[in-house]
Amino acid sequence: EAGVAQSPRYKIIEKRQSVAFWCNPISGHATLYWYQQILGQGPKLLIQFQNNGVVDDSQLPKDRFSAERLKGVDSTLKIQPAKLEDSAVYLCASSFWGGVRNEQFFGPGTRLTVL
Amino acid sequence: AQTVTQSQPEMSVQEAETVTLSCTYDTSESDYYLFWYKQPPSRQMILVIRQEAYKQQNATENRFSVNFQKAAKSFSLKISDSQLGDAAMYFCAYRSPLYNQGGKLIFGQGTELSVKP
Repeated sequence: EAGVAQSPRYKIIEKRQSVAFWCNPISGHATLYWYQQILGQGPKLLIQFQNNGVVDDSQLPKDRFSAERLKGVDSTLKIQPAKLEDSAVYLCASSFWGGVRNEQFFGPGTRLTVL
Repeated sequence: AQTVTQSQPEMSVQEAETVTLSCTYDTSESDYYLFWYKQPPSRQMILVIRQEAYKQQNATENRFSVNFQKAAKSFSLKISDSQLGDAAMYFCAYRSPLYNQGGKLIFGQGTELSVKP
């Protein structure tokens, strides 16, 4: 079974530029999560999708971050414009909603550096 | 709101020895799940062990076991017979039931474990 795929693995941009990250969840997983992990901290949920609908985006900075999940499969997370404090690892995870334990499977992450 | 606290930023253990990582959490819920995740330098978050709050029996997975103290809101991880491959950042995480907050994970700050040969 293929795992959660993310691209790119690394991205370096200058502040005020825009950037997009892509995530392909495990086949059949209805729930998709984007987490932000700042260096030295634990991951923090940015947004959660159930199929193509948003379940929780309470911690998403909506003035600069946006996310979509077209057709309930792949998802993209965009930052526009980027700030220095957006430097972090962005983790995508997916789960089979309603599974016995609803275990979340994580992708390898995208490391973003904003200069 | 739920919170998770890991008070040990770094821990070190000798190969083949035993180490215990600490985690405390705060919640008003009675039904929840607790996890320990391992994150090596590759950044891939790997599930180590899970504990359902309604189960009194502590979870075990091979060399990994937990000490779940629900009343004290404590959830420690014990790694026995430590191996070099155990070196990584370990995160404690809390999850509400799916019907509450959609099952998002709330993570602690992490404990970096080093294993000395």
